Amino acid sequence: ETGVTQTPRHLVMGMTNKKSLKCEQHLGHNAMYWYKQSAKKPLELMFVYSLEERVENNSVPSRFSPECPNSSHLFLHLHTLQPEDSALYLCASSTRDRAHNSPLHFGNGTRLTVT
Amino acid sequence: AQKITQTQPGMFVQEKEAVTLDCTYDTSDPSYGLFWYKQPSSGEMIFLIYQGSYDQQNATEGRYSLNFQKARKSANLVISASQLGDSAMYFCAMRDQTGANNLFFGTGTRLTVIP
Repeated sequence: ETGVTQTPRHLVMGMTNKKSLKCEQHLGHNAMYWYKQSAKKPLELMFVYSLEERVENNSVPSRFSPECPNSSHLFLHLHTLQPEDSALYLCASSTRDRAHNSPLHFGNGTRLTVT
Repeated sequence: AQKITQTQPGMFVQEKEAVTLDCTYDTSDPSYGLFWYKQPSSGEMIFLIYQGSYDQQNATEGRYSLNFQKARKSANLVISASQLGDSAMYFCAMRDQTGANNLFFGTGTRLTVIP
């Protein structure tokens, strides 16, 4: 396998459910990201992990809980979500550098629908 | 303030013709990187091309080129010889020193290639 893989591709959950999104990268990168993509809005950065340490958390509600057990895996645990959380959730990875020239490599995303 | 502005919600181009997708950015950092991504209906964000703020030459990658005008803070993407498979959403993004952990995205332009 190559690139960034996200599972599941689609997820429908009720507001009282608990589910997890999974991301795996095989690119040897040392930083991983969760982005939220809602209709007609720019991609919003949710979390960044660098060398398995969370380095950014953009005021995301506590009903979203990230986990990065190693540099290749990233999870997003979901519980008691709201309908407005329905969106495409994209995982990405990159090499951390100071020159700002490392592109992010994205997975296919998980389309989440909260009912 | 919006870091990345894409003013064209939608664009049409005839197959085999060239098209320019506009992007302007806002930063006071001297060092930054500009990126373009393509997002087909499948959802994956595909990295296309990168331009560094100190690069003297405009970036090119196959049929993609970046028209970088630093004084005007614009980084337009030019796609030459459009193909039907180029129909997708296109996002401009920037990483600067202030938001080193983040890649700021615009709202995107939907490109439709007409046969």
